[in-house]
Amino acid sequence: AQSVAQPEDQVNVAEGNPLTVKCTYSVSGNPYLFWYVQYPNRGLQFLLKYITGDNLVKGSYGFEAEFNKSQTSFHLKKPSALVSDSALYFCAVRDIESGYSTLTFGKGTMLLVSP
Amino acid sequence: DTAVSQTPKYLVTQMGNDKSIKCEQNLGHDTMYWYKQDSKKFLKIMFSYNNKELIINETVPNRFSPKSPDKAHLNLHINSLELGDSAVYFCASSQAELAGNNEQFFGPGTRLTVL
Repeated sequence: AQSVAQPEDQVNVAEGNPLTVKCTYSVSGNPYLFWYVQYPNRGLQFLLKYITGDNLVKGSYGFEAEFNKSQTSFHLKKPSALVSDSALYFCAVRDIESGYSTLTFGKGTMLLVSP
Repeated sequence: DTAVSQTPKYLVTQMGNDKSIKCEQNLGHDTMYWYKQDSKKFLKIMFSYNNKELIINETVPNRFSPKSPDKAHLNLHINSLELGDSAVYFCASSQAELAGNNEQFFGPGTRLTVL
């Protein structure tokens, strides 16, 4: 079984400050991990993914995420938030050994960046 | 150019009716998906097709029937619509699902309201 938890419903941060959106996962094997962003009334957009290799993954719009196997976490980070980063963020996981398994999404975290 | 498109964008209908949502992708991807996003923004996979073949069928009522006439199209037909079917339905596509490490590209969504 695979699952993902986003413990915060909402994260508030001031523009220019660093931001972190938390994600932890549970898989029986090794994970593929993804972050997606959803702007209001839009579909999800891919931000970044961890497949293998470097634990620090860089993605679109200046976002990055760090894979931490011991803590089973994949937190999304950005050094300096923009108001335009305000959106709903989803973490997703797939168990590598599961073949045609589905991608399991977290419940989403709303990021609000204030001017 | 629109990568993944869905029609219609909005669909308002009465209980008991039958309706269809169409999806097309011009990315040359082999795999397509249907997701349901409920009012709390929770995202759940419904179906996945790889090269026109059904590979994932989550526990979805058999009133929902996907059809893939070719690998660029995946339509969703819903019979006998119920109030609980009200949601936003997203189509997505990715390169071959077998690898499991490919990001998905989402359409803009179809907001279905059942009265």
